[in-house]
Parts: sequence; C-alpha cells; structure tokens
Amino acid sequence: DIQMTQSPSSLSASVGDRVTITCRASQDISNYLAWFQQKSGKAPKSLIYAASRLQSGVPSKFSGSGSGTDFTLTISSLPPEDFATYYCQQYNSYPITFGQGTRLEIK
Amino acid sequence: QVQLVQSGAEVKKPGASVKVSCKASGYTFTNYDITWVRQAPGQGLEWMGLISAYNGDTKYSQKVQGRVILTTDTSTTTAYMELRSLRSDDTAVYYCARDGSSGPDNWGQGTQVTVSS
Repeated sequence: DIQMTQSPSSLSASVGDRVTITCRASQDISNYLAWFQQKSGKAPKSLIYAASRLQSGVPSKFSGSGSGTDFTLTISSLPPEDFATYYCQQYNSYPITFGQGTRLEIK
Repeated sequence: QVQLVQSGAEVKKPGASVKVSCKASGYTFTNYDITWVRQAPGQGLEWMGLISAYNGDTKYSQKVQGRVILTTDTSTTTAYMELRSLRSDDTAVYYCARDGSSGPDNWGQGTQVTVSS
C-alpha cells in the first residue's frame, strides 16, 4: 500500500496568514493526488484533484502543487472559516489511501 | 444540483450486519463511481471501497474485504454499503461520495454506525 504522510500534523495560524501543508507519498503517484477539507462534525469537502486542479466552486485562495512523491496545499490569506482539518489522498493505485490529516487551528 | 443523501444512524450488536444507503440525484448516476469512506471517532479518513454505477465493478480495501458488499440500484439511483460481522472497531461515520475523473467531488452527509453490546 502507498503510505501518505502529511506535515505538520497540526498547525496554529492567524486569520490572514498564508499556510502551506505538505503531503509525501511513499512511492511515485504521478499527479494522482487530491486534497479535502473537513470541519468538525461535517462531511469532507473536495478541494483539489490531479494535484493542482480546483474542484468546481472552490475559491482560488486554495492552490496545490507537486508531482511524483511531494505535494503541497497552500491557503492564502486565511479567513476564520478555513480553520479545519485537511487531508491528502492518493488515487494512483488501489487501495486508495489518505494522509493522517493536518489540523489547522487559530493562534 | 448534485446531492447524495444517506440513510440514518444505526446501532447494531457485535456480529450483526448493517446496510447504509446513499441516494444520488442531480446527475446521470451511471456516469460515475461511488466511493465509500469511514471515519472512526477522533480518527482520520479510511477508504473502504468503490463501485462503478455503470457496470457494478468493485474495488475493496483489504481491511474490510470479505465483510463488505457494495451494490447499486440504477432504477432508484441508490448505492448501498453492507458491512457484516460487525465489531466494535467498526463504530464510525460512513460516507459515500460521487467519484469521477476528478476524484470524489460530492459527498453524502454521513451515517453514524455504532456497534455496541
């Protein structure tokens, strides 16, 4: 199975900050990488697919990059509603696997 | 608009089975797969499996393979996840999601399944 490792596991930031979350795959997954946002008690929300493509309706403050094994999610100018947990997911091969999550908290 | 509406919360005893439904609307059902993901209390997301609504082909996680059955009913545009031989560590929120060329893009609201004696 492909292991997905996110860093950091938790992050404290202030409203208006720019933050970057990293996701590393244990083997080459090309660009088959997605990012999800999950707020407490809610279903995940799809943000990015194919490493850098925004899902329909997702604002451009979210951006993704990377290929192969190293990927990043960047959120520019954090508003209060974006404090949540973020997950990466590889869908290059089965079983599909998720990172452990990065909890983004208000400083 | 695309909607996935899941069935309500379930409480089951160990060894029992549970069947969760996921009613899809707002798109051509057979043009997409349905992915199932679960989340144990305080834990991350775990992929369980995927079914093609077009031809019923399935892929399962090894962790639940042999205990989970994914099906679809194209006449009612509903997907089902049945999990058998329930254990306490199956207690989780179960999610369905529409899955296409851009990966999972729309999610159901989640179904709480509690396994307790």
